[in-house]
Amino acid sequence: GENVGLHLPTLSVQEGDNSIINCAYSNSASDYFIWYKQESGKGPQFIIDIRSNMDKRQGQRVTVLLNKTVKHLSLQIAATQPGDSAVYFCAESNTGGFKTIFGAGTRLFVKA
Amino acid sequence: NAGVMQNPRHLVRRRGQEARLRCSPVKGHSHVYWYRQLPEEGLKFMVYLQKENIIDESGMPKERFSAEFPKEGPSILRIQQVVRGDSAAYFCASSPGQAVGQPQHFGDGTRLSIL
Repeated sequence: GENVGLHLPTLSVQEGDNSIINCAYSNSASDYFIWYKQESGKGPQFIIDIRSNMDKRQGQRVTVLLNKTVKHLSLQIAATQPGDSAVYFCAESNTGGFKTIFGAGTRLFVKA
Repeated sequence: NAGVMQNPRHLVRRRGQEARLRCSPVKGHSHVYWYRQLPEEGLKFMVYLQKENIIDESGMPKERFSAEFPKEGPSILRIQQVVRGDSAAYFCASSPGQAVGQPQHFGDGTRLSIL
């Protein structure tokens, strides 16, 4: 079965607030993690990634945090906008591997 | 600079017919992956191919499903004798290589509906 899961299936935030989407993984051999955004009717879109030798990585308005001790991954979106409304998936893979395992996803609703 | 192109976007088949889904990877990418997604669920890995080779098909049903990625032309996911349970969105992704740190680029999928 899948070994990547999410704590919250849905998240509703006010426009302008920060969003935090969480993900748990169980495979300690995983060393590469990715967050994807999927809008309705479209394919997953790469947002940000992080390798296991890091615990934080920042992009434009997004930050990914990795806690290997508790096998936890989070995506933080600053100043959430209506265009951020989508389903967000975390995914994991490992060195030399090619199979990317996806979590179930979190649907983010942004209220205007 | 075209991304991953999938066609058709929507495909309707009757039970027992064959479905062919096509995927053209990003130019220069030699690794192709197929995933299946049911509504409100994540993506489930099906098969990983390099040019002319199937590397891992552990996520693909042994019967009725097959995939290829010929030297020339798109990758094809083929489903024979379709059943209602095959209804899903099928996504293709590509990457330039297998090394860690190379995210996969996804197409917008083919939505397969079985009548």
